[in-house]
Amino acid sequence: QVQLVESGGGVVQPGRSLRLSCAASGFTFSSSDMHWVRQAPGKGLEWVAFISYDGTKKYYADSVKGRFTISRDNSKNTLYLQMNSLRTEDTAVYYCAKDPGLYSYFDHWGQGTLVTVS
Amino acid sequence: SYVLTQPPSVSVAPGKTANITCGGKNIGSKSVHWYQQKPGQAPVLVIYYDSDRPSGIPERFSGSNSGNTATLTISRVEAGDEADYYCQVWDSRSDHPDWVFGGGTKLTVL
Repeated sequence: QVQLVESGGGVVQPGRSLRLSCAASGFTFSSSDMHWVRQAPGKGLEWVAFISYDGTKKYYADSVKGRFTISRDNSKNTLYLQMNSLRTEDTAVYYCAKDPGLYSYFDHWGQGTLVTVS
Repeated sequence: SYVLTQPPSVSVAPGKTANITCGGKNIGSKSVHWYQQKPGQAPVLVIYYDSDRPSGIPERFSGSNSGNTATLTISRVEAGDEADYYCQVWDSRSDHPDWVFGGGTKLTVL
């Protein structure tokens, strides 16, 4: 079955950096588009970033553009999110999510990793 | 950017039907997807492409989309359906695509 396991969250000071990882299994990772979605405490869901299956296409929410970088290593079945110049408003649970294709929806989600900027 | 509007809360008695709406300009021309999120858990897809159900989702969950409103309908509501529900669309903006969520609706089972 599909498994997505995020790691790398923690407490970080404003202006510092953090890198999140998402280990994937149970499906062909190298053929799957992937996303990061976040949820601030007590708030709704916010899409953060997209990467195509081969890494050639990347898109970002305006709120993180220029500060966050999504990447992937298909040889390791791992998705990454490099977060630089962190702000207090970036505090959230970060989920990696699988896209079934055609720029559509999120059919599987990880359990999330909490990032606290303080 | 495209905006999706959901009521903050909906309450329903067990065994009754809950309708959760998602409003957006001409949303009927887009594909709408719905997620259920219980406290402390990750979201789960319950409806995709307006009205399709993933395997494992009960038939009590259904969806529709027309005009400016999409609706998630939960029939014969059970206590276990109490959760937050989010609608989502993919918006192809002129510069780059955007995956947009509604603000979420908290479903309370009375």
